[in-house]
Amino acid sequence: RKEVEQDPGPFNVPEGATVAFNCTYSNSASQSFFWYRQDCRKEPKLLMSVYSSGNEDGRFTAQLNRASQYISLLIRDSKLSDSATYLCVAANTGNQFYFGTGTSLTVIP
Amino acid sequence: EPEVTQTPSHQVTQMGQEVILRCVPISNHLYFYWYRQILGQKVEFLVSFYNNEISEKSEIFDDQFSVERPDGSNFTLKIRSTKLEDSAMYFCASSDKVSNQPQHFGDGTRLSIL
Repeated sequence: RKEVEQDPGPFNVPEGATVAFNCTYSNSASQSFFWYRQDCRKEPKLLMSVYSSGNEDGRFTAQLNRASQYISLLIRDSKLSDSATYLCVAANTGNQFYFGTGTSLTVIP
Repeated sequence: EPEVTQTPSHQVTQMGQEVILRCVPISNHLYFYWYRQILGQKVEFLVSFYNNEISEKSEIFDDQFSVERPDGSNFTLKIRSTKLEDSAMYFCASSDKVSNQPQHFGDGTRLSIL
């Protein structure tokens, strides 16, 4: 059983496009949720935490639906620099992170 | 901005040899973690560490693995007798609280077992 599932993509979108990624988690006791981005052969870097009420950080909006165990990330006005793999994370009470396999995004000029 | 540092960036070791991967977590953080990522696969939790003892460990973290905080700054992962399947990227991470806190990752050690 996969703890966290993501559509691996790849998503290829033109600059300026809006793109949405979805993620589901299996453990209803998961406490906290995050989106990380990972560039090729680099470490995961925190993009944003995900709160129950939904939250926005510039061009990025994250949503959490605890009833459906579903997390989303919306990127508006895509930039070339947004090209990366986006990792969905669900954490348990001990802050053990469960990563999804990641969704690959390429923004095309 | 403070960061987690890891050494070496790349370690090449013969199968059966012991290897120690080193990490310096962010200085005011109290919770430390090791993860691994096999090429092309997802990031997997290995172990968490707090107050000089293991808090949680995954089934990957068997008797061949151990962690230690030998002094006030370093956090190490030892693999006692390496296997080919231990080849992966190993990431250290730290956080300042245990709950609802993002973890900050080091840039990883690429371990290659020959």
